[in-house]
Amino acid sequence: AQKVTQAQTEISVVEKEDVTLDCVYETRDTTYYLFWYKQPPSGELVFLIRRNSFDEQNEISGRYSWNFQKSTSSFNFTITASQVVDSAVYFCALSLMDSNYQLIWGAGTKLIIKP
Amino acid sequence: EAGVAQSPRYKIIEKRQSVAFWCNPISGHATLYWYQQILGQGPKLLIQFQNNGVVDDSQLPKDRFSAERLKGVDSTLKIQPAKLEDSAVYLCASSFGRTTDTQYFGPGTRLTVL
Repeated sequence: AQKVTQAQTEISVVEKEDVTLDCVYETRDTTYYLFWYKQPPSGELVFLIRRNSFDEQNEISGRYSWNFQKSTSSFNFTITASQVVDSAVYFCALSLMDSNYQLIWGAGTKLIIKP
Repeated sequence: EAGVAQSPRYKIIEKRQSVAFWCNPISGHATLYWYQQILGQGPKLLIQFQNNGVVDDSQLPKDRFSAERLKGVDSTLKIQPAKLEDSAVYLCASSFGRTTDTQYFGPGTRLTVL
């Protein structure tokens, strides 16, 4: 089965706290891509990152970082020193050859940053 | 570079009426997608175009939904007649060309069917 699990439905933290959003995926393919998108209240899905299965290097972009671990089939996303503007729904997605590289979406995690 | 454009942003109609949504992808992007996103869920792919040809429309309810991309650029998605369960956000996305390319999304059209 190919699927993406985001077990955290909603997370609420106070501004400036660090927060990690979990993403676990299932696939037997050896070639696949993982994505994170942000969906603020305005509704637009904003692309954050794309990783291919052969690149396990962690990525850091400002306050955002991603930890890709094939051994645990996880692609977790950490926001350091969270800000109110980070409040949004975050989606993890998987694309692979067996599905014609169409995006397989997780259910999303709603992140609330309180001032 | 301009992003994916969609219009209208909001639409309210009565059930059994018709509605159309428009999408203009990022310039140079050959692949265009329409998604339906029901509140609290991830997006569901309705149809995928490569230039003006349909790649996948397996999840498009063809008895009431139709989509076209006549010149390989703009696209329209139509619902006729609308049902209450069609209330959702309709998202358009585009990618450069290969199926492995990243998809970039427009702001979406929020449809309410009363």
